[in-house]
Amino acid sequence: KQEVTQIPAALSVPEGENLVLNCSFTDSAIYNLQWFRQDPGKGLTSLLLIQSSQREQTSGRLNASLDKSSGRSTLYIAASQPGDSATYLCAVRPGEDRLAFGKGNQVVVIP
Amino acid sequence: NAGVTQTPKFQVLKTGQSMTLQCAQDMNHEYMSWYRQDPGMGLRLIHYSVGAGITDQGEVPNGYNVSRSTTEDFPLRLLSAAPSQTSVYFCASRSTTTEAFFGQGTRLTVV
Repeated sequence: KQEVTQIPAALSVPEGENLVLNCSFTDSAIYNLQWFRQDPGKGLTSLLLIQSSQREQTSGRLNASLDKSSGRSTLYIAASQPGDSATYLCAVRPGEDRLAFGKGNQVVVIP
Repeated sequence: NAGVTQTPKFQVLKTGQSMTLQCAQDMNHEYMSWYRQDPGMGLRLIHYSVGAGITDQGEVPNGYNVSRSTTEDFPLRLLSAAPSQTSVYFCASRSTTTEAFFGQGTRLTVV
């Protein structure tokens, strides 16, 4: 069974610092990996999708890398802002039918 | 383009009552799925569908039924609600090539 781990569970950073969020997974046989953002009481917003053949994806201040062989992905958020405060979820797609989620990194950006 | 729409947003049920959570998508996606999100447990797959007329069980299917009579709709039925089914429920959809899109969630309380 695919296990997805996100460490640390919670972190705080001062505004302007770069954020680095880590995701690890136990089985390298994945179709893709997706990063989501979730605000309190809200749904999941897709941030980046990395296909298994790709090494990274970028969107604005966000950059996600994927090292499938070592079972790791990292989400970088440059020059963090208070509006980046949220929970970030990593999910891998091990099969056609499902996503396996980590429990998330709860981020607070301090003004 | 509404994306994935879930209704209702909030619901309180008494133990033993039944209800249907609605999910509709307007992106012509083949794949649809239901997840529940519980504190400390992350998101877990309940049921999924790979196309109209085809459904299968996920990780935590007991107490829930689904059907997929059209591409657009994927309702989740609680047969006899129990307090253990108190949770936030998310519906998701995707095509074979796209990222997964999530609805805004249904917050269910069973008393």
